Amino acid sequence: DGGITQSPKYLFRKEGQNVTLSCEQNLNHDAMYWYRQDPGQGLRLIYYSQIVNDFQKGDIAEGYSVSREKKESFPLTVTSAQKNPTAFYLCASSMTGRTDTQYFGPGTRLTVL
Amino acid sequence: GQSLEQPSEVTAVEGAIVQINCTYQTSGFYGLSWYQQHDGGAPTFLSYNGLDGLEETGRFSSFLSRSDSYGYLLLQELQMKDSASYFCAGRGISGGYQKVTFGTGTKLQVIP
Repeated sequence: DGGITQSPKYLFRKEGQNVTLSCEQNLNHDAMYWYRQDPGQGLRLIYYSQIVNDFQKGDIAEGYSVSREKKESFPLTVTSAQKNPTAFYLCASSMTGRTDTQYFGPGTRLTVL
Repeated sequence: GQSLEQPSEVTAVEGAIVQINCTYQTSGFYGLSWYQQHDGGAPTFLSYNGLDGLEETGRFSSFLSRSDSYGYLLLQELQMKDSASYFCAGRGISGGYQKVTFGTGTKLQVIP
């Protein structure tokens, strides 16, 4: 089955610690995205990547970092510089040039204590 | 930049029809997508309008009017399982890259 996996589903960290969220896809998509969703809010774009070894900042990139060393993988690191990291994080992918049709993973709910 | 506005909540009766509106302001606009998200779940793609007019997919239809910077999602024969949040998302160009911006979402409650 093709799809996107994110792990873990729930993640707890202490304030001041960096944490890396994983995102893997086997859809053979070139483009991948990270979004943040807060309760009752829409999705805000953190970073996106249209090809391996290239990525761009989204609307709320401060306090986050990414890498894209493999087509299948797009991990997101939430650094201690992120002022309010507790949120639901969603990873998505799409075919090249088809940002209109994105496929989402199940999400990781991060809680910083 | 891009911004998309939707009503925050809509309530409709099972079996009825409901329309969820989306107005947008965007540069380099390409088209409008719609996604459904159940509580605690991931968004799933419903439809995309790249051209003006109506797109129909089963019980769901989506409409776009570029001249009015407006679109809507129409859900027919509502079922209880349609209770979810619905997001419009505008596809445009920003900094030379294609980018999608999501609206804040409309929470649909279907009642018996």
